Amino acid sequence: DQQVKQNSPSLSVQEGRISILNCDYTNSMFDYFLWYKKYPAEGPTFLISISSIKDKNEDGRFTVFLNKSAKHLSLHIVPSQPGDSAVYFCAANDFGNEKLTFGTGTRLTIIP
Amino acid sequence: KAGVTQTPRYLIKTRGQQVTLSCSPISGHRSVSWYQQTPGQGLQFLFEYFSETQRNKGNFPGRFSGRQFSNSRSEMNVSTLELGDSALYLCASSPERGTEAFFGQGTRLTVV
Repeated sequence: DQQVKQNSPSLSVQEGRISILNCDYTNSMFDYFLWYKKYPAEGPTFLISISSIKDKNEDGRFTVFLNKSAKHLSLHIVPSQPGDSAVYFCAANDFGNEKLTFGTGTRLTIIP
Repeated sequence: KAGVTQTPRYLIKTRGQQVTLSCSPISGHRSVSWYQQTPGQGLQFLFEYFSETQRNKGNFPGRFSGRQFSNSRSEMNVSTLELGDSALYLCASSPERGTEAFFGQGTRLTVV
């Protein structure tokens, strides 16, 4: 049973525009959410996180939004740059539990 | 500060053999988790260690085991290798519970 879902396997965005990656979850016990970026044959790189007590967190070009009632989170990248091309994973856990549950990933391609 | 270091980076083993993978966490991090990434199943949690104790375990058979040493370094062992064990094995470390996990570059295991 897939508790964290990324329904878009791929996304193409023009350079300079906004990239929006979406993630849905089913487990209401999740209270901490993270986004990772991954290149082939490398480990995931942490991007940004958000706890369930917030609905928004920003870090430079990256903003994560959390809608708890809809069990939905999204990652906004503005402006998108060619180096952003990678696979993006959302992950979730319940506080105090180090087990991260990952989505299946979205491959983002930034078109120059 | 050095990142998470995994050795070896690449490994080829024969069915039926066993393998040991090593992970050195970021200095000061006491939690070490292991994940398996395959094209079909995505990133799946194997187990997590904190202060030499296994705190969480994923849904993997008993052939997968691990341990953590007093210096927080961790090893993962897979016995009686099967072709389906071919995957990228990732180690992640965290300073404490409920914080972001930082991943190593992974060990690419190929079972032939």
